[in-house]
Amino acid sequence: AQTVTQSQPEMSVQEAETVTLSCTYDTSESDYYLFWYKQPPSRQMILVIRQEAYKQQNATENRFSVNFQKAAKSFSLKISDSQLGDAAMYFCALVLYGNKLVFGAGTILRVKS
Amino acid sequence: NAGVMQNPRHLVRRRGQEARLRCSPMKGHSHVYWYRQLPEEGLKFMVYLQKENIIDESGMPKERFSAEFPKEGPSILRIQQVVRGDSAAYFCASSPPIIRTGRTDTQYFGPGTRLTVL
Repeated sequence: AQTVTQSQPEMSVQEAETVTLSCTYDTSESDYYLFWYKQPPSRQMILVIRQEAYKQQNATENRFSVNFQKAAKSFSLKISDSQLGDAAMYFCALVLYGNKLVFGAGTILRVKS
Repeated sequence: NAGVMQNPRHLVRRRGQEARLRCSPMKGHSHVYWYRQLPEEGLKFMVYLQKENIIDESGMPKERFSAEFPKEGPSILRIQQVVRGDSAAYFCASSPPIIRTGRTDTQYFGPGTRLTVL
């Protein structure tokens, strides 16, 4: 069975600092996509960044970047220059054949001013 | 291009009533997915539909829950005879047609419907 594990229930970061959220996954497939979604208090699910497994280059979106280690099945999210608006629940997700997303349990990110 | 629309945003039902949740996918998207988020938990897959077809309903409870995506109109998630345990946020997501390897990539989410069962 495919699983996604986020081992950090909660993280804190000082405004303007950098924080890394961890995610590991397990799948027997070789071709898949990985995502980070952000869920602020409004509960809207917002796509932060995605990574295609066949691409070795780590994805980057402005202040957000990933460290994708395919052999280790690790997919961490780095947020640089953290802002108050980054405070939210962050979910790591894997999309399987058949197109259903499998989500981790989430990490609450708190940003201190 | 409007995003995924869901209505209502909040729905209150008494035990035993029916709940109907609607989802209009993004323009040009032909795949719809429903997920459920129980309090303090992550999202769990329920069902995957294309127009007039249920592709995968492996996450749907066997009883009381059904989903459809008709040729015309929104996708509907229907819960009959609701119980308190159905209280949750229900999210719909949509994605564009499959273009490579038989697998779609990014799913875009609606704002969710929060169902409260009294």
